[in-house]
Order: sequence, then structure tokens, then C-alpha cells
Amino acid sequence: QVQLVESGGGLVKPGGSLRLSCAASGFTFNDYYMSWIRQAPGKGLEWVSYITSSSGYTNSADSVKGRFTISRDNAKNSLYLQMNSLSAEDTAVYYCARGGTAAALKFDYWGQGTLVTVSS
Amino acid sequence: QSALTQPASVSGSPGQSITISCTGTSSDVGGYNYVSWYQQHPGKAPKLMIYDVSNRPSGVSNRFSGSKSGNTASLTISGLQAEDEADYYCSSYTSSSTLVFGTGTKVSVL
Repeated sequence: QVQLVESGGGLVKPGGSLRLSCAASGFTFNDYYMSWIRQAPGKGLEWVSYITSSSGYTNSADSVKGRFTISRDNAKNSLYLQMNSLSAEDTAVYYCARGGTAAALKFDYWGQGTLVTVSS
Repeated sequence: QSALTQPASVSGSPGQSITISCTGTSSDVGGYNYVSWYQQHPGKAPKLMIYDVSNRPSGVSNRFSGSKSGNTASLTISGLQAEDEADYYCSSYTSSSTLVFGTGTKVSVL
């Protein structure tokens, strides 16, 4: 069965950096677009970034552009999110989610999420 | 990249039907048939309920249906059940090749 397991969350000071990981299993990872989606405490969902199956193209929300970088290692069935220049507004549960094989138009499987807290 | 607009809350009695709206613009909802809906119970990850406006993934009850007219998409839950009480979010592909979620709707079963 499809499984997505995020890790790497924690407490970080404003201006700091963090790298999230998502381990995928149960499907052919290198066939699918992948995304990161976040949810601030008590708030709604916010799409963060997606990457194509071959890493040939990425796109990100304006709120994280220039600070966050999505990447993947198909040999390791893993997705990553490098987060720099973090601020309190980045505090959220970060989910990795599987997109489609031709585009990231829907998210059919989600991980359980990893909490990132930005605070001094 | 403004969030799509959803009503904050919708409620209904068991057995009734309710509809949640999701309003965007011609650059997102109105421009593409790539609207999805997600159900989220407290403390859980979201679950895909509808994709491409009106398609149900395998395993999702046929009590859930989706539609779109112009810049507004809708999710209808028929035969409302206690287990349907959750938060619901729409999402759409956009002309910037990004994705945008709705503001979210809390569904209460009276």
C-alpha cells in the first residue's frame, strides 16, 4: 500500500533553516509528481511546492519562493524540502502528498505530517 | 495566489443533503476542470474525495458528488451521516501552473 512518511520537523529559531524529508513506498515513486502542503495551527491548507517526476521542473507558492527548495532522489524514493530564512509565519504541519503521473493536479495520498515550529 | 472562497460552515441533519461552494476566478476554477475536494477530520491528514471536478476516487462513497459552473465549484454530500462531520477544502490548478486551496468549510451534522 502507498505510504508517505515525513520527518525532519522540529523547533527552529527565526532566520534558521530546516530540511524535511518524505520517504515513499508502495508505488513507483519516479512515475509521480510530488508536492509539499502545509497547515498552520488552526488554519487551512496551503500548497507550498511541487516537483515533476524527473525533477525537471519545480514550482512554488509566492510565500516561499526564494526561501524553500523542493527536490527528490528517485533512487532513494525520497522527497525533500529545504527551508531557509524561516519566520514565525512558516510554523505549520508540513505534509508531503502524491500528485499525478502527468501533473500535480490532485493529491491522492498524504503523509501524516511533520510539525515545524519557528520560535525564539 | 489568493485562496479560493468557501463558506466557513455548513450544517445539516442526518439524511439531508448539503452543498459547499468554492469560488475562484477565470484564472483558476473557471479556467480548468482541475478542481479537487478534500475531507479532513481533526488531527488527521486530508483525504481526496473528488478530483477533476466530478470524479470520485475508488473507495469514496457515491454520496459525495462534485460539479462546476463558471468560476464556482460545488461539493454535494447527500444522505448526510455523522461521519461526514469534518473540514472540507477545495483546490484548483491555476494559470500560473500552481495550486491553490480554498479557505475551508466546517461541516456539522446536527
